[in-house]
Amino acid sequence: SQKIEQNSEALNIQEGKTATLTCNYTNYSPAYLQWYRQDPGRGPVFLLLIRENEKEKRKERLKVTFDTTLKQSLFHITASQPADSATYLCALMDSSYKLIFGSGTRLLVRP
Amino acid sequence: EAQVTQNPRYLITVTGKKLTVTCSQNMNHEYMSWYRQDPGLGLRQIYYSMNVEVTDKGDVPEGYKVSRKEKRNFPLILESPSPNQTSLYFCASSLSGTGGIGEQYFGPGTRLTVT
Repeated sequence: SQKIEQNSEALNIQEGKTATLTCNYTNYSPAYLQWYRQDPGRGPVFLLLIRENEKEKRKERLKVTFDTTLKQSLFHITASQPADSATYLCALMDSSYKLIFGSGTRLLVRP
Repeated sequence: EAQVTQNPRYLITVTGKKLTVTCSQNMNHEYMSWYRQDPGLGLRQIYYSMNVEVTDKGDVPEGYKVSRKEKRNFPLILESPSPNQTSLYFCASSLSGTGGIGEQYFGPGTRLTVT
């Protein structure tokens, strides 16, 4: 069956460290993958999109990698800050233009 | 300001009483979509629309209807709400093209309770 999985356990890290979140998928061949940030009770906010022919994408302190062989995307936040604390969602588009979201990983950055 | 608006933001209703949640975007986006979000289940797509008069089922369409008569509006209709439709609902829009769907802009959410 098709699945997109993110670590359901919260990631708890010290301010200043690099946070790495994982998104794995099975039985999809997405042309690209998106990452969103969601704060409690609010709508997700788009962060980055990476295409299948791109190995890595950066935006300020954010970096995303996409390995179509491993069927995995990694999302990194360098020099993390308490304000980065939120839930991070990955999403991919299937062949019929449906957008499939992972259930998200909660990041807690301790001061 | 570019935005997606939803109304109402909060709604408490009773089983079987028809309701409509409105969604509007001012960015001239082709693609619009409705999601529900439940604890532990994440965001699940209910319906989506590639353009005016074109709608398709997402993963959880049962009990919902949509229409896309104008590009900017994409209302979600619950003809006969049931308690299992109690959830947080999000509308979203994005540009779309042959390359797929661009970044999604989400509305602020509608918290629906069906008693």
